[in-house]
Amino acid sequence: AQSVTQLDSHVSVSEGTPVLLRCNYSSSYSPSLFWYVQHPNKGLQLLLKYTSAATLVKGINGFEAEFKKSETSFHLTKPSAHMSDAAEYFCVVVGNSGGYQKVTFGTGTKLQVIP
Amino acid sequence: GAVVSQHPSRVICKSGTSVKIECRSLDFQATTMFWYRQFPKQSLMLMATSNEGSKATYEQGVEKDKFLINHASLTLSTLTVTSAHPEDSSFYICSARDPTGWGETQYFGPGTRLLVL
Repeated sequence: AQSVTQLDSHVSVSEGTPVLLRCNYSSSYSPSLFWYVQHPNKGLQLLLKYTSAATLVKGINGFEAEFKKSETSFHLTKPSAHMSDAAEYFCVVVGNSGGYQKVTFGTGTKLQVIP
Repeated sequence: GAVVSQHPSRVICKSGTSVKIECRSLDFQATTMFWYRQFPKQSLMLMATSNEGSKATYEQGVEKDKFLINHASLTLSTLTVTSAHPEDSSFYICSARDPTGWGETQYFGPGTRLLVL
């Protein structure tokens, strides 16, 4: 069984303040975890990925995420929000079990950045 | 990192016409590619699994004659929406499975927004 929970459908922060987008997962497989961003009327863009290497993953545009197996979490953070960060963010789990893969997308979190 | 591209990024077509969407893995060979559809305010829905050199495997409820999938090479899969209707308007996303490197995993394309008038 596999699931992804993005705990907040909407997050609103002021420009210059920290961003925290939460993602919890469960997987019976050995998971790889991703964060994708989708700007309005744009396609998906890979922010960062965790694939069983370092648990603290740094991505593009100053974002990072920490894989915490004990908490089954992969929260996305950024120290200081920028107006251009306003978008929808998706947490994705890819479970690997032998030759079989299962992909589960979170329902997304819309980030609003207030000037 | 691995890159997957899709073409076109946006397409507008008339009802009854067919639309082809291409998905390419740019720096790895993908024996398996996947096609997803994103409904408004919902997560992605897996439509089908595309295997190079064999027929695609469709998820329950997805019409294989309407959504034709061809995985012609290890770097290219195409999705053709045949006789498109307004209800087919959606955001279609492909992913490609990279069997190499640390941990077999998938990478997603940027998506194709289809609007059927």
